[in-house]
Amino acid sequence: AQTVTQSQPEMSVQEAETVTLSCTYDTSESDYYLFWYKQPPSRQMILVIRQEAYKQQNATENRFSVNFQKAAKSFSLKISDSQLGDAAMYFCAFRNYGQNFVFGPGTRLSVLP
Amino acid sequence: DAGVIQSPRHEVTEMGQEVTLRCKPISGHDYLFWYRQTMMRGLELLIYFNNNVPIDDSGMPEDRFSAKMPNASFSTLKIQPSEPRDSAVYFCASSLGRYNEQFFGPGTRLTVL
Repeated sequence: AQTVTQSQPEMSVQEAETVTLSCTYDTSESDYYLFWYKQPPSRQMILVIRQEAYKQQNATENRFSVNFQKAAKSFSLKISDSQLGDAAMYFCAFRNYGQNFVFGPGTRLSVLP
Repeated sequence: DAGVIQSPRHEVTEMGQEVTLRCKPISGHDYLFWYRQTMMRGLELLIYFNNNVPIDDSGMPEDRFSAKMPNASFSTLKIQPSEPRDSAVYFCASSLGRYNEQFFGPGTRLTVL
């Protein structure tokens, strides 16, 4: 079975600085998708970014970018120019064909003013 | 579109009572998912539907849990009888296609006393 690991239960970053959240996964498949979801205090789950495993180019969405290393099965999220509104739980998620989403345990990010 | 709608947002009930959680997916989405989120177990998939038909309910914890989707715009998750260990946040999500991005509702925080 696929598993997703987020080794950092909590992280903090100074406003305007850059932070990287780590995620590793385990799979024997070659085609799959990876996602980062954000869950602010409102509890709403919001998709931040997605990456297709067959694409070598790292996905980017404004201040959010990923470092996808397929061989290492690593999918880290970099948040640049951190803002107070970035404070939330961040979940890494994995899915491949024939499987449902598998979510990691989450990383709680605090942004310090 | 208003997004995925869940009701109620908060539910407090006593042990032994029946609880019904409701979800309205995004119009046109053909997959609907029910998740449970707890501190201990993170996000767990309970059941998902495709075109109103339950496909996989292997995540449903016990016979006390049941889910229905009588039409494309409405689903319910019922717990009868409820127990304190059922206290959690329950999310409904929908997607267009099984493997595309899942859009989450705001969740229902259930407290069973």
